[in-house]
Amino acid sequence: KQEVTQIPAALSVPEGENLVLNCSFTDSAIYNLQWFRQDPGKGLTSLLLIQSSQREQTSGRLNASLDKSSGRSTLYIAASQPGDSATYLCAVMRAQKLVFGQGTRLTINP
Amino acid sequence: NAGVTQTPKFRILKIGQSMTLQCTQDMNHNYMYWYRQDPGMGLKLIYYSVGAGITDKGEVPNGYNVSRSTTEDFPLRLELAAPSQTSVYFCASSFPGTSSYEQYFGPGTRLTVT
Repeated sequence: KQEVTQIPAALSVPEGENLVLNCSFTDSAIYNLQWFRQDPGKGLTSLLLIQSSQREQTSGRLNASLDKSSGRSTLYIAASQPGDSATYLCAVMRAQKLVFGQGTRLTINP
Repeated sequence: NAGVTQTPKFRILKIGQSMTLQCTQDMNHNYMYWYRQDPGMGLKLIYYSVGAGITDKGEVPNGYNVSRSTTEDFPLRLELAAPSQTSVYFCASSFPGTSSYEQYFGPGTRLTVT
């Protein structure tokens, strides 16, 4: 059974810092990996999707990497801003179904 | 395009009551999904459908039923509500014609069972 773990569960950093969120998964036979953002009481916003054949994807200040052999992905956020405060979820796909981690709650302090 | 829409946004049920959560997508996606998210947790798959008339169980199907009579709609039925079903429910859809199978999510239904 695929299990997805995100560490840390919560992270608080001052504005302007670069930071890394971690995601690990137990079964490397995945189709792709997605990173989502979730604001309190809201739905999910897709940030980045990495196909299993890719090593990384970039969008603006966000960069996601994927290492299937070690079962790990990281989400790098550059020059963090208070507006980046949210919960970040990673999810791996196999057989068209997503398995989610429990999320990292990120707070950026002005 | 409205994308994936869900109704209602909020609902309070008494134990033993029934209700249907509605989900509609206008993207002509074949695949549709229902997830639940408990406080401080990730999403867990309840049921999914790969097309009209075809449904299958996910990780946590007990206490729920689904049907898929059209491509657009994928309702989730709770027959005898229990406090353990208090959660936020998300519907999603995807199109297998793209290489990514990227899933698009609705805004969620917040359900409380008391």
